[in-house]
Amino acid sequence: DAKTTQPTSMDCAEGRAANLPCNHSTISGNEYVYWYRQIHSQGPQYIIHGLKNNETNEMASLIITEDRKSSTLILPHATLRDTAVYYCIVLRNSGYALNFGKGTSLLVTP
Amino acid sequence: SQTIHQWPATLVQPVGSPLSLECTVEGTSNPNLYWYRQAAGRGLQLLFYSVGIGQISSEVPQNLSASRPQDRQFILSSKKLLLSDSGFYLCAWSVQGSYEQYFGPGTRLTVT
Repeated sequence: DAKTTQPTSMDCAEGRAANLPCNHSTISGNEYVYWYRQIHSQGPQYIIHGLKNNETNEMASLIITEDRKSSTLILPHATLRDTAVYYCIVLRNSGYALNFGKGTSLLVTP
Repeated sequence: SQTIHQWPATLVQPVGSPLSLECTVEGTSNPNLYWYRQAAGRGLQLLFYSVGIGQISSEVPQNLSASRPQDRQFILSSKKLLLSDSGFYLCAWSVQGSYEQYFGPGTRLTVT
């Protein structure tokens, strides 16, 4: 599975869009980009995933560049409850293990 | 809808004592089941996964074991706890072959 690189931490003002970047320059054609988050002292929560096309659900949008070497998770209107560690993971859609790295610690401030 | 339960929520155990953590899933059949551990200040580590009753795969060799006696029940055990077993233990489930994993509330284990 391809390696990912994320900033260690980011801040975002409440009500603004939070844009979390992820680099995955070694991604191969059959690998998906998954995003999870973990709020302090809770289990991780699945957010969204994509292969080539941009994706949107009730939680977030995922923008994948045309060359697929990077992606951005967008929380359109961040709230204080969005403060969490966000993990970008690149995986083939088979197998079982989710290998969470260090992720990006997002702090949403009032 | 599907729900996942873990208990206990917190646990303090002495070194050398046994361990049993239980996880159950409701509202789905034949799920994949997973045990993860998160040590303080570190990332998640997959310990075990199961694709069916009695089928357990270990990702990391250690003094822990897992069992799946029923389709929606997953148990993490140890005969003798070590100090290094302290951490946040998370159970998760997914549909077969999917990476959309859904996590339980976790058990915070402190070995003293």
